[in-house]
Amino acid sequence: AQSVAQPEDQVNVAEGNPLTVKCTYSVSGNPYLFWYVQYPNRGLQFLLKYITGDNLVKGSYGFEAEFNKSQTSFHLKKPSALVSDSALYFCAVRDGGGATNKLIFGTGTLLAVQP
Amino acid sequence: GAGVSQTPSNKVTEKGKYVELRCDPISGHTALYWYRQSLGQGPEFLIYFQGTGAADDSGLPNDRFFAVRPEGSVSTLKIQRTERGDSAVYLCASSGGQAGGTQYFGPGTRLLVL
Repeated sequence: AQSVAQPEDQVNVAEGNPLTVKCTYSVSGNPYLFWYVQYPNRGLQFLLKYITGDNLVKGSYGFEAEFNKSQTSFHLKKPSALVSDSALYFCAVRDGGGATNKLIFGTGTLLAVQP
Repeated sequence: GAGVSQTPSNKVTEKGKYVELRCDPISGHTALYWYRQSLGQGPEFLIYFQGTGAADDSGLPNDRFFAVRPEGSVSTLKIQRTERGDSAVYLCASSGGQAGGTQYFGPGTRLLVL
């Protein structure tokens, strides 16, 4: 069965510092991995995804994520955090070998960037 | 272009009533998905359509929940005999339908069952 773990409920970082939001996954086939961001009372906004190819994926708003197959991880990173990055971040996985396109989401990590 | 739209944005109903939630996908997207997000949780998959047919309905919690997409565009999620536990934000997404295609989400419908 597919699953996603986001081990941190909240991440606090000072503006200008690098940030990392952690995600690990479990699938039976090759993973398709996604990061979404959710602002208060808004829907989910797509940030980036890994399907195949280069392990380092670059996405919107300066975010990037690194796929690590041996550690089954897909951590979200940004070199310099902004206060406006404060939001709820979700990691999601689709089993690339499966017949369904459904995504399995983690429980979310609240990112708080202090000025 | 226009994104995914959902109506109503908020719905308050009484226990036992019937509700319909509507989703308009991005034009040309063949795949449409419904998820449910409870407070403090990540979205939970309900059902997805490829064209007019339900390709995977494994996430529907019970037979009170039903969804249709009769013309392969707009979809309606129907909940019969609503229960207080159905209160959540119902999210719709659409994609191009290919494996690994990015799912683009609407703003959601916040359902409150009193």
